[in-house]
Amino acid sequence: QVQLQESGPGLVKPSETLSLTCAVSGYSISSGYYWGWIRQPPGKGLEWIGSIYHSGSTYYNPSLKSRVTISVDTSKNQFSLKVSSVTAADTAVYYCARLVYAIYYFDYWGQGTPVTVSS
Amino acid sequence: QSALTQPASVSGSPGQSITISCTGTSSDVGSYNLVSWYQQHPGKAPKLIIYEGTERPSGVSNRFSGSKSGNTASLTISGLQAEDEADYYCCSYAGSSTLVFGTGTTVTVL
Repeated sequence: QVQLQESGPGLVKPSETLSLTCAVSGYSISSGYYWGWIRQPPGKGLEWIGSIYHSGSTYYNPSLKSRVTISVDTSKNQFSLKVSSVTAADTAVYYCARLVYAIYYFDYWGQGTPVTVSS
Repeated sequence: QSALTQPASVSGSPGQSITISCTGTSSDVGSYNLVSWYQQHPGKAPKLIIYEGTERPSGVSNRFSGSKSGNTASLTISGLQAEDEADYYCCSYAGSSTLVFGTGTTVTVL
């Protein structure tokens, strides 16, 4: 059974960098699939942040591209998200998920981790 | 890349059928048959219920069905049950390996 688990600080100061990691179990990232990050501000809808392939190829939401970096560590079977210069608008629950390439749907999701941007 | 448009809320009585629309543009929904739908209960992660426009993952009730016409995709829930009360989101491929979600719809079972 594929499982994903997000981890990282729950509180980040404005202007700093938000960093999260998604640990994958039950499946080797190196075996294929794309892996993505999605966020959900409090009381609002889902927003796709970006996706990465095990080779390191990345794809980002154009509205966030200038501040987002997604990377993968196949040796640890995990991938990571960094969002720089955060503001209160980046406060959200952050989800990681497995993306089925070419058909583009997320079949497995992490439970989500809340991140608050506040001084 | 703007969010796909969904009605904020849809309601129905137990046993009835409801349909949730998801309107995009010719750059996303209209160009690809790659719309997925997710069900999200409060405090929980989204769950995939439809992919590739009309396909249901194993284990998802056949009361959920998807369709598309032009720039609008739709999710129909037939035989509405109390457990279907949740938020629903569509998601479409938007070209160049990018994705866009819908604004979300809250389904209420009366």
